Amino acid sequence: GQNIDQPTEMTATEGAIVQINCTYQTSGFNGLFWYQQHAGEAPTFLSYNVLDGLEEKGRFSSFLSRSKGYSYLLLKELQMKDSASYLCAVMDSNYQLIWGAGTKLIIKP
Amino acid sequence: DGGITQSPKYLFRKEGQNVTLSCEQNLNHDAMYWYRQDPGQGLRLIYYSQIVNDFQKGDIAEGYSVSREKKESFPLTVTSAQKNPTAFYLCASKGGMDTDTQYFGPGTRLTVL
Repeated sequence: GQNIDQPTEMTATEGAIVQINCTYQTSGFNGLFWYQQHAGEAPTFLSYNVLDGLEEKGRFSSFLSRSKGYSYLLLKELQMKDSASYLCAVMDSNYQLIWGAGTKLIIKP
Repeated sequence: DGGITQSPKYLFRKEGQNVTLSCEQNLNHDAMYWYRQDPGQGLRLIYYSQIVNDFQKGDIAEGYSVSREKKESFPLTVTSAQKNPTAFYLCASKGGMDTDTQYFGPGTRLTVL
């Protein structure tokens, strides 16, 4: 079967750095996405990785290792507004997205 | 402004009633999707459409129906056959230059009483 695993909840301090991990087992791989979702709102696109390595976009970076079925989202200089759920999704061989359950990130002052 | 709209934001219905959720996009995207989100679970695909007048069942299509008569519109009907319809429903689309990324509407929270 297809499976996306990410931690249910994480807590971090304002101004710090946090890494949210995602491991996957899917039928085929055509890219991995990270989305941010604030409570009661729609997911918004953060990043897309299809090749191994690190993609940096401001305070957010995303890493992919296809051989290990592993990705992480790195958030630097955390702000209170970063409190949200972070969703990992993999595009499978049929170009459909398989979604993880999301990681709820709590930022404390 | 270009984007995806869903209406209404909140919807209440009595058990046994059919209800239709609206999804409109002016991004000129070919593909549109309907997902359902429940607490503690990943998004689950209900239906998707890659072109006008064509749509495919997703993983949890039972109790739902869709139509795609116009490129801009992809309404979802939740029928009385859906056993547990209370959920947050999200519509998404993709296409154009950024062909792989899905963009979401604001969602409709449906509560069946």
